[in-house]
Amino acid sequence: DTGVSQNPRHKITKRGQNVTFRCDPISEHNRLYWYRQTLGQGPEFLTYFQNEAQLEKSRLLSDRFSAERPKGSFSTLEIQRTEQGDSAMYLCASSSWTSGPEQYFGPGTRLTVT
Amino acid sequence: QQPVQSPQAVILREGEDAVINCSSSKALYSVHWYRQKHGEAPVFLMILLKGGEQKGHEKISASFNEKKQQSSLYLTASQLSYSGTYFCGTVRAGAGKSTFGDGTTLTVKP
Repeated sequence: DTGVSQNPRHKITKRGQNVTFRCDPISEHNRLYWYRQTLGQGPEFLTYFQNEAQLEKSRLLSDRFSAERPKGSFSTLEIQRTEQGDSAMYLCASSSWTSGPEQYFGPGTRLTVT
Repeated sequence: QQPVQSPQAVILREGEDAVINCSSSKALYSVHWYRQKHGEAPVFLMILLKGGEQKGHEKISASFNEKKQQSSLYLTASQLSYSGTYFCGTVRAGAGKSTFGDGTTLTVKP
């Protein structure tokens, strides 16, 4: 059973640049979640999809963040005009509402904004 | 609203027991427990659903008190491999997203 994969694993970018991350969920999972995690904190919810529909987006998320899941399979998270405060680990997780709501996390993308 | 975990940190010797608590001010549908080791992604341990039974996994078990909206994770006869940060994730009734606590760091020493 292939787990959740994320690319790239590490990204270093300069402030003001745009970055895009990809998440490939477990193939039969219809729900996909994005989280942000900083040192010493739990994962912070950003957004989630059921199939291709984006069902909820955190109110804490600025307009610089956008996510898509065009065909209900992989998802992308884009951050425009990055700021140093965006430096964090970005985690993706997937779940299957039919077999159980527990979430399985990918290895994450560590973003460093210089 | 973020669930509150306690204690923030625990240090044990191998073979000792620990309890980690997670409480919410909102009515919950489910509570998930995860363990995260340094530099790695959180790993799912177990889920407790409203109206469900206490769950167990090897020497790790958990309970969910629906009246108090509290869950507890029990680690018995701890092993070195249990070291890590434990997070509870809560899902409110009628919601799809999970909200995570800030974690409890468990250190098991020989």
